[in-house]
Amino acid sequence: EPEVTQTPSHQVTQMGQEVILRCVPISNHLYFYWYRQILGQKVEFLVSFYNNEISEKSEIFDDQFSVERPDGSNFTLKIRSTKLEDSAMYFCASSEPGADSSNEQYFGPGTRLTVT
Amino acid sequence: LAKTTQPISMDSYEGQEVNITCSHNNIATNDYITWYQQFPSQGPRFIIQGYKTKVTNEVASLFIPADRKSSTLSLPRVSLSDTAVYYCLVGDNNFNKFYFGSGTKLNVKP
Repeated sequence: EPEVTQTPSHQVTQMGQEVILRCVPISNHLYFYWYRQILGQKVEFLVSFYNNEISEKSEIFDDQFSVERPDGSNFTLKIRSTKLEDSAMYFCASSEPGADSSNEQYFGPGTRLTVT
Repeated sequence: LAKTTQPISMDSYEGQEVNITCSHNNIATNDYITWYQQFPSQGPRFIIQGYKTKVTNEVASLFIPADRKSSTLSLPRVSLSDTAVYYCLVGDNNFNKFYFGSGTKLNVKP
């Protein structure tokens, strides 16, 4: 069964450093997403991406964040200057529109980001 | 986006049927209702999606009354491995953004 993959599984960085989280969505999917989940809290939407541009973004997704699909397979999330409060699990997801307008998102295993 | 309200937690025993209800009073005409399951340290996993009446798949059923202001996820004969957080989402399936609520933590006991 196809799956979304994410690397690294755990990233430790110092405050103020830039990090890039990488995702490989399912190959025939067209819609890509990033979510984050602070330990013990709910899953929070960050951004959606379609046709090589951002479709929607949440209030969390400020100027420190950016996304990119640098080639035909990778989808990345960059945090330019990390803050302590960016420590969280970051999930990538992808989806393909169903014939019945359904939208089943497939999530990756996540990258745990720890900012010290 | 329609806000959802779910119980914070539920307890059940192995072999029982579990029903988790989600309220979404301001659901819009174009909104779909979707449920996800999440185990600790894993990404959410799609369970089921519906628009109205009843939807059933190999793992669950989704009941949606005529007014669509609530929905009920039904898990038949739960096992210990069904212990997880269950999220109800409501959105218009325009594939642009989806907001998870606080979820229901289901604890299945032996």
